[in-house]
Amino acid sequence: DAGVTQSPTHLIKTRGQQVTLRCSPKSGHDTVSWYQQALGQGPQFIFQYYEEEERQRGNFPDRFSGHQFPNYSSELNVNALLLGDSALYLCASSFRPGSYEQYFGPGTRLTVT
Amino acid sequence: KQEVTQIPAALSVPEGENLVLNCSFTDSAIYNLQWFRQDPGKGLTSLLLIQSSQREQTSGRLNASLDKSSGRSTLYIAASQPGDSATYLCAVRGEETSGSRLTFGEGTQLTVNP
Repeated sequence: DAGVTQSPTHLIKTRGQQVTLRCSPKSGHDTVSWYQQALGQGPQFIFQYYEEEERQRGNFPDRFSGHQFPNYSSELNVNALLLGDSALYLCASSFRPGSYEQYFGPGTRLTVT
Repeated sequence: KQEVTQIPAALSVPEGENLVLNCSFTDSAIYNLQWFRQDPGKGLTSLLLIQSSQREQTSGRLNASLDKSSGRSTLYIAASQPGDSATYLCAVRGEETSGSRLTFGEGTQLTVNP
């Protein structure tokens, strides 16, 4: 049983560019959450998707957007990249938004130069 | 706004020592608290989850306690091993009617020396 998978593993972008990160949830899970983890910090909640809709959102600007597909996989899009967007982006999946436990993927390391 | 603090930020101990990691949170209205392990540059591995109605959870050499009213949790690691070296993160989930948003602390970086 595959766990949560994310792609790509690493990514280098230039300031001002746009990036798309991808996540496939654990088998049987229908809810995906995204977190940003800057170096030396704890993860910060970006948003959560369920039934192809954004259900909750953290304190992130509109440059951060997402999408969930009918097969429950999800994308995180970041426009107009800033140097401060450099971080490890983590995806977590669960069964239903109210599930008490989430499973995390290995993350995508984004470097903005 | 919920804030989670972890003390100490870093800890270095000799192999075999018992140790305690601390986590505090400002809003006691939590649904549960979870301890994670993170190896360098990697994702998160869940270690223990404590529901708000529970006082502690145990898994092998790990024991986590929760005092919801005082906003504190501890993770006790017995007989530490070099393989325990990692960053340990504490996260809380608020008493929301929907969603499973976690608020994390900044972590404790543990080094266990052979």
